[in-house]
Amino acid sequence: QVQLQESGPGLVKPSETLSLTCTVSGDSVSSGSHYWSWIRQPPGKGLEWIGYIYYSGSTNYNPSLKSRVTILVDTSKNQFSLKLSSVTAADTAVYYCARQVGSGWLYFDYWGQGTLVTVSS
Amino acid sequence: DIQMTQAPSSLSASVGDRVTITCRASQSISSYLNWYQQKPGKAPKLLIYAASNLQGGVPSRFSGSGSGTDFTLTISSLQPEDFATYYCQQSYSTLRTFGQGTKVETK
Repeated sequence: QVQLQESGPGLVKPSETLSLTCTVSGDSVSSGSHYWSWIRQPPGKGLEWIGYIYYSGSTNYNPSLKSRVTILVDTSKNQFSLKLSSVTAADTAVYYCARQVGSGWLYFDYWGQGTLVTVSS
Repeated sequence: DIQMTQAPSSLSASVGDRVTITCRASQSISSYLNWYQQKPGKAPKLLIYAASNLQGGVPSRFSGSGSGTDFTLTISSLQPEDFATYYCQQSYSTLRTFGQGTKVETK
């Protein structure tokens, strides 16, 4: 059974960097069959795709966040991570990690439970 | 960006009702359209991929149709556990985008 689990601070100060890690079990981030994604959801609002990483390290980011986002993969720990710099209150959201099928129809088939990150001083 | 527009934004229905939600893309996306269900406090769950393919374990009362720019999610007979918010999502563009969501509430 594939499982993803987000971890990281729930509170980040404005202008600082948000850092989250997604630990994957039941699959390998090195498999090459999937993309590993981050998606966020502000309280009471809809879903926004942040970006994804492939096992090779290649990435694709949402242009609206590209200047502030870094996604990395650690194959030795079977994890991938998100860094979002210069955060503001608008970055307050539930952050999800998700597995995206890497070929064909490219849908998100497994999601983590989500972690709420609040940006506040 | 490919904009995804869902209608309606919310609807009220009763158990047993047939429910239809539409999703329109701002340009043709072939069949690269997926549907998710989200319940409060939970992660989205994949229901349908490639416009009309039911994800494993999803009840057959859910169905999807459409191609190009216009898509539909249908729940043939609404069950109590189906009250939730539904999102469409396109995977045609490298910039993945979601619809704004449709909340299905009890009448």
